[in-house]
Amino acid sequence: KAGVTQTPRYLIKTRGQQVTLSCSPISGHRSVSWYQQTPGQGLQFLFEYFSETQRNKGNFPGRFSGRQFSNSRSEMNVSTLELGDSALYLCASSLLSSGANVLTFGAGSRLTVL
Amino acid sequence: QQQVKQSPQSLIVQKGGISIINCAYENTAFDYFPWYQQFPGKGPALLIAIRPDVSEKKEGRFTISFNKSAKQFSLHIMDSQPGDSATYFCAASKPGTSGSRLTFGEGTQLTVNP
Repeated sequence: KAGVTQTPRYLIKTRGQQVTLSCSPISGHRSVSWYQQTPGQGLQFLFEYFSETQRNKGNFPGRFSGRQFSNSRSEMNVSTLELGDSALYLCASSLLSSGANVLTFGAGSRLTVL
Repeated sequence: QQQVKQSPQSLIVQKGGISIINCAYENTAFDYFPWYQQFPGKGPALLIAIRPDVSEKKEGRFTISFNKSAKQFSLHIMDSQPGDSATYFCAASKPGTSGSRLTFGEGTQLTVNP
């Protein structure tokens, strides 16, 4: 059974650019969540999508956006990159959208902003 | 606002010893408390989880103790092994419209010396 696949694994961008990260969830999982992981702030919730609808959104500026496709694959986009956006971006999928769900995380996309 | 506080930040234990990581939460609406384990280069993986209607849950060498009145919960790793060396995150989630959103603690880097 394939796990959660995130692409690209590593990328380097410069300030002001934009980036799109992709996440393929486990087959059959309809919920996809995104988290930002940094040494200073830890793991912070970005947003969750369920059946192509944004279910919940964390406290991040509007530069951070996402979407989910009909096959449950998800993308997140960060526009006008800032140095502080350098982080590991983790995608997690789950069968349903509920608090007691088991989240299965991908290995992440490590973004470096220069 | 950090709603889940985790300590210690780092922990060194000898092989065969007991590792104890503590977490405290503020929001009494939380009703699901998982622990995730993360190895370098990997995403977090669910280790064990508990609901507040039980005071303890054990799975193999891993035990969660839960104190609802104190709003605290802890992870105990018995007979710690070098392979347990990883970063551990406690987390909490709410039922209802919060979906699968997890609020994570800051993380504890565990090192088990052989």
